[in-house]
Amino acid sequence: DTAVSQTPKYLVTQMGNDKSIKCEQNLGHDTMYWYKQDSKKFLKIMFSYNNKELIINETVPNRFSPKSPDKAHLNLHINSLELGDSAVYFCASSQVGKNYGYTFGSGTRLTVV
Amino acid sequence: QKEVEQNSGPLSVPEGAIASLNCTYSDRGSQSFFWYRQYSGKSPELIMFIYSNGDKEDGRFTAQLNKASQYVSLLIRDSQPSDSATYLCAVGASRMRFGAGTRLTVKP
Repeated sequence: DTAVSQTPKYLVTQMGNDKSIKCEQNLGHDTMYWYKQDSKKFLKIMFSYNNKELIINETVPNRFSPKSPDKAHLNLHINSLELGDSAVYFCASSQVGKNYGYTFGSGTRLTVV
Repeated sequence: QKEVEQNSGPLSVPEGAIASLNCTYSDRGSQSFFWYRQYSGKSPELIMFIYSNGDKEDGRFTAQLNKASQYVSLLIRDSQPSDSATYLCAVGASRMRFGAGTRLTVKP
């Protein structure tokens, strides 16, 4: 069983389109994250939800909107896609109080053309 | 100053040698430190975590932490070609910050 699963794995789309990425974890964790990894492999946190509540909202364009319907799911919707949004987006999860690091999903490679 | 800094490499070592990876961090209040391994095209995979000053060993891996110097390192003994990957240093628990990673190549 995949612990943290993301869909789709690859996403190629044109500038100006709107797209969504979905994430689900079956680890029973209460916190989920979105990270962006750019072409230089730098991982940067975007958002974090704890039990469906947004707790981290880094300096990210408001074209990006996360949503967490429940603690096992975290989605990312991106409006009006730009070339600079091309990156790999990773979902991750962890459990507050159990400081054993994050478990990452397999990533979604977004290419905006 | 970046929050977490690593030498980007690439670092190349022969098979069987010790690979030494270094990381410094800026937030003196940080309590949790992690090393992740990322193979090309794959997601980061946790290999070590350390919270206390000193050394922590797990198989061929040893993490070292010096909070006074704000320094974390990872030693890989008896390096294998399968250890060739990018190693990411990460700091913090609720808002984990990553370094840019050090690319390690182990040559047979």
